[in-house]
Amino acid sequence: DTAVSQTPKYLVTQMGNDKSIKCEQNLGHDTMYWYKQDSKKFLKIMFSYNNKELIINETVPNRFSPKSPDKAHLNLHINSLELGDSAVYFCATGTSGAETQYFGPGTRLLVL
Amino acid sequence: TQLLEQSPQFLSIQEGENLTVYCNSSSVFSSLQWYRQEPGEGPVLLVTVVTGGEVKKLKRLTFQFGDARKDSSLHITAAQTGDTGLYLCAGEDGNQFYFGTGTSLTVIP
Repeated sequence: DTAVSQTPKYLVTQMGNDKSIKCEQNLGHDTMYWYKQDSKKFLKIMFSYNNKELIINETVPNRFSPKSPDKAHLNLHINSLELGDSAVYFCATGTSGAETQYFGPGTRLLVL
Repeated sequence: TQLLEQSPQFLSIQEGENLTVYCNSSSVFSSLQWYRQEPGEGPVLLVTVVTGGEVKKLKRLTFQFGDARKDSSLHITAAQTGDTGLYLCAGEDGNQFYFGTGTSLTVIP
């Protein structure tokens, strides 16, 4: 079983559309994260949820809205997609106060 | 935002050579991790160091955490083609993780 899974793996869409990326973990971890990796491979945290509550919300446009229906899921909805949103989005999990994270395989988003 | 600078940014070496990657910051971290990311995949944890001055070995990889817990190094002995990938350091401040700028390593057979 995959510990952290994301769907879809690839997402190609037009500017202005709304899209969602889903993340599921079966590790039983309390904390889930969304990261954005740009074309230069720089990985930056976007959001962190702990037990379905938003803990960290970095400087991210409010077009991005995370939703955690339960501890095992953290979805990312993006409204009015822009060209600059093109990147690889990674979901990750960890336990509270843990020193490590486990990453999903990533979702490659291309906005045309 | 804490910034972790990695050097070099790109490294291309012959199989069998040794190399060192550096991760430097002006911030103090509770712990520091090293990850390797292969194309099309997410980062995978290699090691976590917690104590200043700590040295950890993972087969041919040696990781060191600086005494002041602001920097770290990764040394690979006798590099193999399987070591090819993007190496990322990440500092944790008790609240969140901050990733380094990355080092892309290519080991040529």
